[in-house]
Amino acid sequence: QSALTQPASVSGSPGQSITISCTGTNSDIGAFTYVSWYQQHPGKAPKLLIYEVTSRPSGVSDRFSGSKSGNTASLTISGLQAQDEADYYCSSYRVRHTHVLFGGGTRLTVL
Amino acid sequence: QVQLVQSGPEMKKPGASVKVSCKASGYSFSDYGISWVRQAPGQGLEWMGWISPYNGNTNFAQRYQGRVTMATDTGTSTVYMELRGLVSDDTAVYYCARDPVLVNYYYHSGLDVWGQGTTVTVS
Repeated sequence: QSALTQPASVSGSPGQSITISCTGTNSDIGAFTYVSWYQQHPGKAPKLLIYEVTSRPSGVSDRFSGSKSGNTASLTISGLQAQDEADYYCSSYRVRHTHVLFGGGTRLTVL
Repeated sequence: QVQLVQSGPEMKKPGASVKVSCKASGYSFSDYGISWVRQAPGQGLEWMGWISPYNGNTNFAQRYQGRVTMATDTGTSTVYMELRGLVSDDTAVYYCARDPVLVNYYYHSGLDVWGQGTTVTVS
């Protein structure tokens, strides 16, 4: 069981928007603005999409956006495209014990 | 371009150790830390720990403390991760990733460059 909770799967049609949630506790997501999101295509290394809750690295499409409320972070993908079909992982910082936690991952299917 | 290139696949017997290397290029090696993340077959990502090429500081996930070692070679811009006492559950793809955290692990700002992954099979 992962430390951060994500839905196992989400789906959407091309052009639509979807949101993936990531729920932690007041010791990780709720305590810091250190939430990241990654995209992973099958057989490939993860790619950083969002860091520090809302920031996008250079080169990442602005169709990807992040937010946080309380102990839950969210990734929103707008204008869904076929190439967005992938696994998505959230991560958060925690002060004690293991410093970086990942969610279990969410598989996005573009219908 | 900025890249991390990892060593090749490994096959080990239970009880053995494995050492994976990660060679950095395209940026100043001592300006970023390196984190290691593993992914068991069909499973999610798991952070194993971090090392700073700047000061040699390390920080390991609780479940790996005592079983993992990380080291850097600034002359060759290479980071090494050694995992001891292998069991079948250690079968996974092991990734190194560039980590902006440099001195001590007081925050986490995402892992922005990843190696291609090294498959370790324990059987």
